[in-house]
Amino acid sequence: QVHLVQSGAEVKKPGASLEVSCKGSGYSFDFHYIHWVRQAPGQGLEWMGVIYPSGGRTTYAQKFWGRVTMARDTSTDTVFMELRRLTSEDTAVYYCARDGVFGNYGGKWFDTWGQGTPVTVSS
Amino acid sequence: DIQMTQSPSSLSASVGDRVTITCRASQDISNSLAWYQQRPGEAPKLLLYSTSRLQSGVPSRFSGSGSGTDYTLTVSSLQPEDFATYYCQQYYGNPTFGQGTSVEI
Repeated sequence: QVHLVQSGAEVKKPGASLEVSCKGSGYSFDFHYIHWVRQAPGQGLEWMGVIYPSGGRTTYAQKFWGRVTMARDTSTDTVFMELRRLTSEDTAVYYCARDGVFGNYGGKWFDTWGQGTPVTVSS
Repeated sequence: DIQMTQSPSSLSASVGDRVTITCRASQDISNSLAWYQQRPGEAPKLLLYSTSRLQSGVPSRFSGSGSGTDYTLTVSSLQPEDFATYYCQQYYGNPTFGQGTSVEI
C-alpha cells in the first residue's frame, strides 16, 4: 500500500528556517513526482512546488522563489522541503503529496497525501 | 496563475440529497481538473481527476463533468461520511485550488 509519512510538528521563531521530511513506501519512489501543499488555519490549499526524485528536478511556485528548496535522498526514499525566513504567515499544515502519474511527465494531480506537518511560527 | 472560483462557498444538505458544486477557471484548462474531499483534521483525498475519472476506491455516487472554464462535481445521494469540504484543483498550469465548498448538515 502506498504511504507517505511526514516528520512531526514544529514550532519556529520568525526568521528561522523549517525543514519537513516525507518518506514514501509501497511504490517506486524514484518515479513519481512529490508535491508540497500547505494549508493555513481555516484556509484553503496552496501549492508550493514539486520535486522529481529521480534526478532531483524541481519547480517552485513563484511566491516561494528564493525561500524554498526541495531535495531528495533516494537511498531512503525521502524528500525534504526547506522554507527559510519564516514569518507568522507561514503558520500552516504542510503536506507532501504524490503525483498521480508514473514517470517524468507527471499529471499534477495528487493521489496520495502525507498526514500533514503542523508548523507554528511565533515569537 | 490560473484562478479557480468555487461556488457555493458552503451549503446545507441532508442525507440522500443530490449536491452539485461548481468550479470556474480564469481560462480554458482543457479538462485538467481534479476534485478533493477533506474532512476536518485529515489530509485531502482525491476523488476525481481529468474532470470525470473516478479515483480507485471512490464511490460511484461522485461524478464530475465540464469543459473549457466550467466544471461540476455532483454527489448523487449524499451519505453521512460525505459531509466535508470539497476543493477543485486545476493542473493545466502550475496547480491552483479553489477556495473550497463546505457541505454541512
